Amino acid sequence: ETGVTQSPTHLIKTRGQQVTLRCSSQSGHNTVSWYQQALGQGPQFIFQYYREEENGRGNFPPRFSGLQFPNYSSELNVNALELDDSALYLCASSNRPSGRGGTQYFGPGTRLLVL
Amino acid sequence: DQQVKQNSPSLSVQEGRISILNCDYTNSMFDYFLWYKKYPAEGPTFLISISSIKDKNEDGRFTVFLNKSAKHLSLHIVPSQPGDSAVYFCAASAPNDMRFGAGTRLTVKP
Repeated sequence: ETGVTQSPTHLIKTRGQQVTLRCSSQSGHNTVSWYQQALGQGPQFIFQYYREEENGRGNFPPRFSGLQFPNYSSELNVNALELDDSALYLCASSNRPSGRGGTQYFGPGTRLLVL
Repeated sequence: DQQVKQNSPSLSVQEGRISILNCDYTNSMFDYFLWYKKYPAEGPTFLISISSIKDKNEDGRFTVFLNKSAKHLSLHIVPSQPGDSAVYFCAASAPNDMRFGAGTRLTVKP
């Protein structure tokens, strides 16, 4: 039990729609990262938020955006959904940004299917 | 760009023997390395980590070795137990970036 929760657990959308995924971090963790994990692959880094500011981004287009709130919750928003966006989306919280020795604790993920 | 590679998609070992999982990376900016374990329908669970200033870190049955010159790290599990059966991911961290390998599925047979 990591104390990191995500909602919803599963979601089905159609191409072109928009989706918002939510994450509740461990209390006291000021950093949250979002990952996309396709079947048979490792998690791919989308972006990281530190103290409510984006603090690093992977190779994802601008239609992937996020927010982090003072109450340790965060959102991942994806606009103009494409079929290839179908994946497991993981959030991970930490008490410090990656690269400074922080250990990330993952939630169980949201499985998104785009039809 | 695959900056972190786990070249063995699967590994099978007998209970009580040693399991060795390998990971290679290409980016010399990575300075912190982690291993995660993942069971089906769960998020990855942190297992052990190592800073680039060390070459070994041990925690119970788990030991991580880092060879910076070869850009290679490995996870040793000894003795292996059936409950260790899971997918293991290595991850490498740089300032504001984290990269994962594709994972190795470990099966420990009783």
